[in-house]
Amino acid sequence: DTAVSQTPKYLVTQMGNDKSIKCEQNLGHDTMYWYKQDSKKFLKIMFSYNNKELIINETVPNRFSPKSPDKAHLNLHINSLELGDSAVYFCASSQGGGQGAPPEQYFGPGTRLTVT
Amino acid sequence: GDSVTQMEGPVTLSEEAFLTINCTYTATGYPSLFWYVQYPGEGLQLLLKATKADDKGSNKGFEATYRKETTSFHLEKGSVQVSDSAVYFCALKSGGADKLIFGTGTRLQVFP
Repeated sequence: DTAVSQTPKYLVTQMGNDKSIKCEQNLGHDTMYWYKQDSKKFLKIMFSYNNKELIINETVPNRFSPKSPDKAHLNLHINSLELGDSAVYFCASSQGGGQGAPPEQYFGPGTRLTVT
Repeated sequence: GDSVTQMEGPVTLSEEAFLTINCTYTATGYPSLFWYVQYPGEGLQLLLKATKADDKGSNKGFEATYRKETTSFHLEKGSVQVSDSAVYFCALKSGGADKLIFGTGTRLQVFP
């Protein structure tokens, strides 16, 4: 009965490979997000989707491609992995940015990606 | 643009000490403000929130008051426990974009 879940929890891969991270939420939320946490713990948004539509794309390299098959799922595919992609990636969800909607976001447990 | 500034850590306290972690923000309009906590090896958990000026968010003994005049949202707890050791993030969500902007995080270490 986990609210926001991500798989895998750990991902170790070599430079140049392509990998995917999956996220699912069972909160009935309309909006989902990807955040990146770097080695200094700094968190920054990458993407947001509302009802399967891309809303925010925060100057992320084209090698990162989010896909939302339905509003409960948001996956992140990364092509040609680089050393600098090593980070913890968090998925989150919320009821959306509409007026009157609760503004808080709920986060998954994170996926620690290590590129060697 | 919008931003959040938190005090540098780590903050090191003995059990039962009083905790304050400072947070100030810059934002257009009237943002919602949050504190999230990240325990070692885990994801972020919403600790508390405030959505308008003078609101006080509280949870698990932690409190923070939305001060518009000083653009601050300082986190306080009267008596910390070893189990409170974690990284604490202050964040805001402005009305303009549906995203959270985080501070750099403050690590709290509580010793018995």
